Amino acid sequence: QKEVEQDPGPLSVPEGAIVSLNCTYSNSAFQYFMWYRQYSRKGPELLMYTYSSGNKEDGRFTAQVDKSSKYISLFIRDSQPSDSATYLCAMSANFGNEKLTFGTGTRLTIIP
Amino acid sequence: DVKVTQSSRYLVKRTGEKVFLECVQDMDHENMFWYRQDPGLGLRLIYFSYDVKMKEKGDIPEGYSVSREKKERFSLILESASTNQTSMYLCASSSQGTSNQPQHFGDGTRLSIL
Repeated sequence: QKEVEQDPGPLSVPEGAIVSLNCTYSNSAFQYFMWYRQYSRKGPELLMYTYSSGNKEDGRFTAQVDKSSKYISLFIRDSQPSDSATYLCAMSANFGNEKLTFGTGTRLTIIP
Repeated sequence: DVKVTQSSRYLVKRTGEKVFLECVQDMDHENMFWYRQDPGLGLRLIYFSYDVKMKEKGDIPEGYSVSREKKERFSLILESASTNQTSMYLCASSSQGTSNQPQHFGDGTRLSIL
């Protein structure tokens, strides 16, 4: 069993819809949680990072962590065609110099 | 903004060749990482470095080595390239200490071994 599980999709939703992307994990030592967005033929770009449980909001994006369930989510409100990308969750026990454990990514397409 | 630059976007090499992939970051970051990304497998860590001349094995170091002679530069070396090393290679960097930040990535090198 992988340490981090992420549904690969693909996921297609109409423009303006709310998108929910999720990851589950098994390592209870993970405390730092990140979401990266990767456009085709580009490197992953950091979207958001959170520490421990709770919510964090940045514009149309909300990251949610439930450590008791070992479950993290990324919500995208008012989705736009420019949000079409692969979304990767990543996590670690420490920050900065700790290696990250990644999900395999969810491919998202927003249909105009 | 953090800038991580990988020297080549696309590279084609032959089996048995020694291959060098270069990565440079401009933010004075202490930590640098090399990953490979394959469909269905996600990102897997090959090697990382916390300081100049330091290196640590990641999850899949076999067939690879690294070099970090300067703080801003981290090189990945395929000692004798094989077809199963065809992949997307991603370099990342991050800082330590009070300004800890998550890893920032370059745009990758798509390497094909024929």
